[in-house]
Amino acid sequence: NAGVTQTPKFQVLKTGQSMTLQCAQDMNHEYMSWYRQDPGMGLRLIHYSVGAGITDQGEVPNGYNVSRSTTEDFPLRLLSAAPSQTSVYFCASSYGTSGKNEQFFGPGTRLTVL
Amino acid sequence: GNSVTQMEGPVTLSEEAFLTINCTYTATGYPSLFWYVQYPGEGLQLLLKATKADDKGSNKGFEATYRKETTSFHLEKGSVQVSDSAVYFCALSDRGGNNRLAFGKGNQVVVIP
Repeated sequence: NAGVTQTPKFQVLKTGQSMTLQCAQDMNHEYMSWYRQDPGMGLRLIHYSVGAGITDQGEVPNGYNVSRSTTEDFPLRLLSAAPSQTSVYFCASSYGTSGKNEQFFGPGTRLTVL
Repeated sequence: GNSVTQMEGPVTLSEEAFLTINCTYTATGYPSLFWYVQYPGEGLQLLLKATKADDKGSNKGFEATYRKETTSFHLEKGSVQVSDSAVYFCALSDRGGNNRLAFGKGNQVVVIP
């Protein structure tokens, strides 16, 4: 199993550009989520999904869109990039939605917005 | 809402020293508690967890006990190695059916030979 994969690993954007961060998992997990990691801030939840066709907002959703058309994929879209979105983005997935299970994290995408 | 507080600042210690990282939480209900570790340039991986009060999670010599009375989940290791150098995050999970994780800010641990 590849686990959770993310592409690209690195990306540089100009202010106002849009892009999609890709996330895929091959573990048949119902739950998937996106976090951003900023220095001294820990990880903050952007959006999450408890199954195909179901998404919801996390702690910091503004400026981001998500969709979940399949169990495997959970892309994160930046609509109009801003310097405040410079961060490291992590996708995660887990089995079930009980809250007791481990979340598996991808390797991250480091995004710089100029 | 749910929140996690970790002790401030990086932790630097010598090999074979005792490590403690404090973690306290605020939550409604009975959350599950986790410690995740992040090695340089990598994503997070689960170190240990506890899903109910008085449970002790353990892995790779690390331990943490879920203390409901003090709302704490402190991480300990009796003898650290250079390979334990990493960032450690305490987190809690909402058990309301959506798996949301709330993270502490993390602690950088540097172990000197």
